[in-house]
Amino acid sequence: RKEVEQDPGPFNVPEGATVAFNCTYSNSASQSFFWYRQDCRKEPKLLMSVYSSGNEDGRFTAQLNRASQYISLLIRDSKLSDSATYLCAVNKGGSARQLTFGSGTQLTVLP
Amino acid sequence: GAVVSQHPSWVICKSGTSVKIECRSLDFQATTMFWYRQFPKQSLMLMATSNEGSKATYEQGVEKDKFLINHASLTLSTLTVTSAHPEDSSFYICSARELAGTKYFGPGTRLLVL
Repeated sequence: RKEVEQDPGPFNVPEGATVAFNCTYSNSASQSFFWYRQDCRKEPKLLMSVYSSGNEDGRFTAQLNRASQYISLLIRDSKLSDSATYLCAVNKGGSARQLTFGSGTQLTVLP
Repeated sequence: GAVVSQHPSWVICKSGTSVKIECRSLDFQATTMFWYRQFPKQSLMLMATSNEGSKATYEQGVEKDKFLINHASLTLSTLTVTSAHPEDSSFYICSARELAGTKYFGPGTRLLVL
């Protein structure tokens, strides 16, 4: 089983739609969680961290369910510019604090 | 925000040659740098963790003699792909961690081995 798993998609949604991505992780000792956005042929950019209580940043809402070991990202009122690949990342802890990435979910927002 | 640069951004080389990729943190000191590799339509796979002044820690399945990592200063880490072959063609991305813990990614280096 992969350490971090995501549905690869692709998700094709119309502008204005609400779309949700889930990501599961296998290591119960994982300490911190993130969503990254990666545009084609670019490096990933941090979208938001995911906190236990859930957190919101504009149209984006992230949630963490430690009991079920999954994190989610909700995008409301999707824009054309939201088209990208969304990667979840999990920090295993330890001194190096390495990130393990999911395979990414591709989102295309259609006009 | 903090900036991490990589050089070169593109490399095309013949099979058997060695390629060096530089990763620099431009406005902060990075005690730890990470090297990732990403094949098309796949996720970033951590190759190794590099600490300034010490040997890199390689992930399982990554050959340390093939992917030489040097982290000689707090702002520079290099990855050398030795005797590159077509299967090494990939997108190589570094990440630098500042003291506060935030990680910043470099823009990546695309390697194509013919």
